[in-house]
Order: sequence, then C-alpha cells, then structure tokens
Amino acid sequence: AQTVTQSQPEMSVQEAETVTLSCTYDTSESNYYLFWYKQPPSRQMILVIRQEAYKQQNATENRFSVNFQKAAKSFSLKISDSQLGDTAMYFCAFMTAYSGAGSYQLTFGKGTKLSVIP
Amino acid sequence: DAGVTQSPTHLIKTRGQHVTLRCSPISGHKSVSWYQQVLGQGPQFIFQYYEKEERGRGNFPDRFSARQFPNYSSELNVNALLLGDSALYLCASSPKDRGREPQHFGDGTRLSIL
Repeated sequence: AQTVTQSQPEMSVQEAETVTLSCTYDTSESNYYLFWYKQPPSRQMILVIRQEAYKQQNATENRFSVNFQKAAKSFSLKISDSQLGDTAMYFCAFMTAYSGAGSYQLTFGKGTKLSVIP
Repeated sequence: DAGVTQSPTHLIKTRGQHVTLRCSPISGHKSVSWYQQVLGQGPQFIFQYYEKEERGRGNFPDRFSARQFPNYSSELNVNALLLGDSALYLCASSPKDRGREPQHFGDGTRLSIL
C-alpha cells in the first residue's frame, strides 16, 4: 500500500515571498502520478499541479513548481510570489499508473495549512 | 460548463439513521469517485464507479454503498450512521477510469451526526 506524508502541519509566508511545502511518499511501483491539490475554506479541492513519475522534468504551472526527486521519493511544491488567495490547505496525493481494477484512487497526505500574511 | 455538483450541501442526522448523498459529474465524465474527509485529515477513498460498474472500493464497512446511474450521476448511501461518520464527503469525476486524467472535485456534502 502506498503512503503519503506531509511533515509540516502549518506554514506561513509573507505576501510576495516564496514558500516550499514538503511531501514524501512510499511505493514499490515504478510508474505513478503525483498531485498537489489546494483546498480553500470554500471546501472545493482544486488541482494545482501534476507530475508523472516517468518524466524527469519538474512540472511547472505559473507561480507553482515542483521538485520531484524519484529516488528519494520526495515531491515538494514551491509557490513563488505568494498571494493572499494562496491561503488554503494543500494536499499531496499519489495515484498508481497501473490500470487494473481499483487502481484509480488518490492517496492523500494529511495536508499543510498555508497562511499568506499581508 | 458546470463543474461537479453535490447535494445537499449540509446534512444533520442522528445515530442509526440512513443517508443518501448525490453527485452529478462534469458533462462527458463517466467516472465518479467518492472520498470521506474527516476534520483535520486528507480525503480517504471510498468508491469508484465507471460506466455504472464498481471499479474500486476503499477500506470502509458494508454500511457504505454506492451506485451510478445511466446518466453517470451517482449516489452514496450510508446505513446505521455512527458518530464517526461525521465528515465532508467529496465526489470527484473524470472522463475515464485511468490515472492520467486528473479528478475534478465538487464542493462536498458536510454530514454531521448527532
């Protein structure tokens, strides 16, 4: 079974600064997908960024980028130029690339609560 | 296009009762998944349905059941409610049942058990 660990329950960052959220995972598989989801107080889980394990290049989406270290099983999220709207819970999630029955499920970490301070 | 819609938004029940939660996926999406998110935790996978068939089930008791209809909407049923069932129930949809397509989540149903 896969596990996802987020070791930072809470973090804060000044507006316009950069912050990095940590995530480690455990799996015996070689091909999989990793995600960062954002959950603001409005409750909706919003996809921030996705990484495919077979791609060595780190994914980027505007101000969001990841540092994917496959050997270390580490998947951190960097938010540049932090904005007040980035205040939310951030969840790291894992999904196998195996296409068999029961494979299409996300395994989430416990989340990191990020507060952006004006 | 409308996103994933869930109803009701909030529900209050007492122990032992039964509850039905509903989800309408994004138009064109055939896969629906259900997750339970207890306060302070990440979501936990409950079920996945694709083309009206159950494709995956998480580690939840038989009190939890679900189904998917021909229009791809879905219901999650929970019988004999316990205090521990209090949680945010999230529905997610995607076009297929394969991993490359990200899951799109609804706003959830907040279930409170008294």
